Amino acid sequence: GEDVEQSLFLSVREGDSSVINCTYTDSSSTYLYWYKQEPGAGLQLLTYIFSNMDMKQDQRLTVLLNKKDKHLSLRIADTQTGDSAIYFCAERLDVGASRQLTFGSGTQLTVLP
Amino acid sequence: GAGVSQTPSNKVTEKGKYVELRCDPISGHTALYWYRQSLGQGPEFLIYFQGTGAADDSGLPNDRFFAVRPEGSVSTLKIQRTERGDSAVYLCASSFGPGETQYFGPGTRLLVL
Repeated sequence: GEDVEQSLFLSVREGDSSVINCTYTDSSSTYLYWYKQEPGAGLQLLTYIFSNMDMKQDQRLTVLLNKKDKHLSLRIADTQTGDSAIYFCAERLDVGASRQLTFGSGTQLTVLP
Repeated sequence: GAGVSQTPSNKVTEKGKYVELRCDPISGHTALYWYRQSLGQGPEFLIYFQGTGAADDSGLPNDRFFAVRPEGSVSTLKIQRTERGDSAVYLCASSFGPGETQYFGPGTRLLVL
C-alpha cells in the first residue's frame, strides 16, 4: 500500500536480533499490526499495538511506536531460521464504517545459519 | 472451525470465465473481510461484511467483482468475465467484531490464463 512503507529485504545471522522498520503516513491510525507470511501460506498475526502506546513486548517480540515520526518497528530477539519469512506491517484507520487494514509491501527476512 | 478456511486453494481459469471463491470464517466471528494480494505486494482491501451486509465495499476494483454473505457466516467472492490481471491470491479474514483483530485464512491462488 502506498501509505505504508517497508524496506524490502533484511538478512541476519541466527541468534542475532532483527529489526524490521515501517513508516506510515496517517496519524489517525488506531491500531498497527505485524503479520508474518511464510511461502505459500496466509498471514499469521504476530502482534499489534494500540496507537496510544509506545512499546509492547511479547516474548521475543518488541514493538516500538513513534507517533511523532509515524515510525513502527518490530524487533525479534534471538532470531531463528524458522523466523525466515515475509513480515508485513499494517495500519487500521477506522474512518466511518471502514475497518480495513492497509499493508506495506513486506520485508523479506532471511536468517543465515 | 479452528481457523478461517478458504476453498479452493488453487483455481485456474480462462480469460472471460466466471469464478467463485469461498470463505468460511472462524465460528462466532461477525466481521469478514476480503483482500487481494498480488505477487510481491502486501494484501489490498476489497470488501468488509458486518453480519450479512457489506459495511464497506470501497476496495472492489470494478463491477465485475461482487461478494455475498447471505447468512452472516460463509462468504463467496464472485468474479465475472475474469481478466489476466485478476490473477492473485485472494485472502479472507474474520474478526470477532468490527473493531477486533483480523485473522487470515490460507488464501485462494487464482490464475487466469
